[in-house]
Amino acid sequence: IAGITQAPTSQILAAGRRMTLRCTQDMRHNAMYWYRQDLGLGLRLIHYSNTAGTTGKGEVPDGYSVSRANTDDFPLTLASAVPSQTSVYFCASSASGNSPLHFGNGTRLTVT
Amino acid sequence: AQSVTQPDIHITVSEGASLELRCNYSYGATPYLFWYVQSPGQGLQLLLKYFSGDTLVQGIKGFEAEFKRSQSSFNLRKPSVHWSDAAEYFCAVEGAGGGNKLTFGTGTQLKVEL
Repeated sequence: IAGITQAPTSQILAAGRRMTLRCTQDMRHNAMYWYRQDLGLGLRLIHYSNTAGTTGKGEVPDGYSVSRANTDDFPLTLASAVPSQTSVYFCASSASGNSPLHFGNGTRLTVT
Repeated sequence: AQSVTQPDIHITVSEGASLELRCNYSYGATPYLFWYVQSPGQGLQLLLKYFSGDTLVQGIKGFEAEFKRSQSSFNLRKPSVHWSDAAEYFCAVEGAGGGNKLTFGTGTQLKVEL
C-alpha cells in the first residue's frame, strides 16, 4: 500500500542521546516535511525538503537536522535530545507545492 | 507572518446534528486554506482545500467549508454528523512562498454523542 512509513512508532530516550527518526515514502513525491505535534500548539514545521538534495528550516528547527539524499527518505536527527523535544513527530510528503500533504502515522518520542 | 486561530478546543454534538467548526486566519495576501482531520493514533488526512474561485468548497466525507474574506474565516460545516466523525480537526493556511509550508491551528476535538 502506497504511503509514508515512519519508524519507530514510539521511543523513550535519555536526555543527551542521539536519535534518528526514519521516514520513507513510496509515492515518488518531490517534497517532504517534518512536523511536531504538541498539545495546545497544533503542528509546527521543523524542516522541509522541496526536492532531493535540498532542505530548508521551518518554524522550529533548533536541535534538529535533516538530510535528503534521495527522493524516498527524509530522516530527522536529534543530535542531543532534551526533554522539550518530547512530542509526536509526523513526516509528510506532497507531489509538489500546493498538492495535498500525505502524513505518516507519527512517532511518539519521550525524552527523559 | 501567517497565523490560524481555532477558538473552540472541544465541541460535542449529537449524532445527526449539524456541525460548524470555526477557523480564523491572518495572512497578508489571498490565502490557501485547508482543513485536515486526525483520528486517534493516526496522521492527518486532508478534508478539503481552498485556493481560489468558488468560496464554498466541498470535501470528502460530506464536509464543506466557506471562505469569507471579509471575516478572515474558513469555517468547516457538515449538515448531519455521524459517530465516525469524532476526531480532531485542524485548519491550516499556506505560508509565504508557498511550497506547502503550512501553519496549523491548535485543533478542535470533536466528540459525537449517540
